[in-house]
Amino acid sequence: QQQVKQSPQSLIVQKGGISIINCAYENTAFDYFPWYQQFPGKGPALLIAIRPDVSEKKEGRFTISFNKSAKQFSLHIMDSQPGDSATYFCAASDNQGGKLIFGQGTELSVKP
Amino acid sequence: EAGVTQSPTHLIKTRGQQVTLRCSPISGHTSVYWYQQALGLGLQFLLWYDEGEERNRGNFPPRFSGRQFPNYSSELNVNALELEDSALYLCASSFRSGYNEQFFGPGTRLTVL
Repeated sequence: QQQVKQSPQSLIVQKGGISIINCAYENTAFDYFPWYQQFPGKGPALLIAIRPDVSEKKEGRFTISFNKSAKQFSLHIMDSQPGDSATYFCAASDNQGGKLIFGQGTELSVKP
Repeated sequence: EAGVTQSPTHLIKTRGQQVTLRCSPISGHTSVYWYQQALGLGLQFLLWYDEGEERNRGNFPPRFSGRQFPNYSSELNVNALELEDSALYLCASSFRSGYNEQFFGPGTRLTVL
């Protein structure tokens, strides 16, 4: 199965809180899992990515947690700010076809 | 370093017409990918070009086609436009085949009336 399932569809978080977005996949051949941030009218921007050989990767306020056995990965945004309000997409690739398979996206709104 | 550029920014066409979208990858990148972002359908992979060759295509009809030029820029052509082709068309580039990191351009918004 080539699908990547993302939840929740939308998320409202207070400023300073933690935003958590989850993704699940079925294809065990996937070996690259990036997260993208997209603002209205813009193209997606690569935020952070992980490979299955590590369980966690942190870059600034953004952390990916990866559970290989459960075939799940999640994005944590610490100390969420109003400027983080955007749509976030998880994705996966098996590097056979070069293509990224995207989740459906999560619209994050951070309230001041 | 300049990012991925796309032209035009916006385009309005009518059903049955043909359209060509253009993409210039990041300097030094040889792989170009095209994605469609239609409302409610998320980001769908369209085409992948590397070193001038089509490497893979997504589940789209043959009226979606493209090519990559010797300077690694790319065109996406859509023939016989249908209303459901209205979408944001995104181009991404990566350093070369086998490098996963894909960097996206701002997209071309196509409206089919």
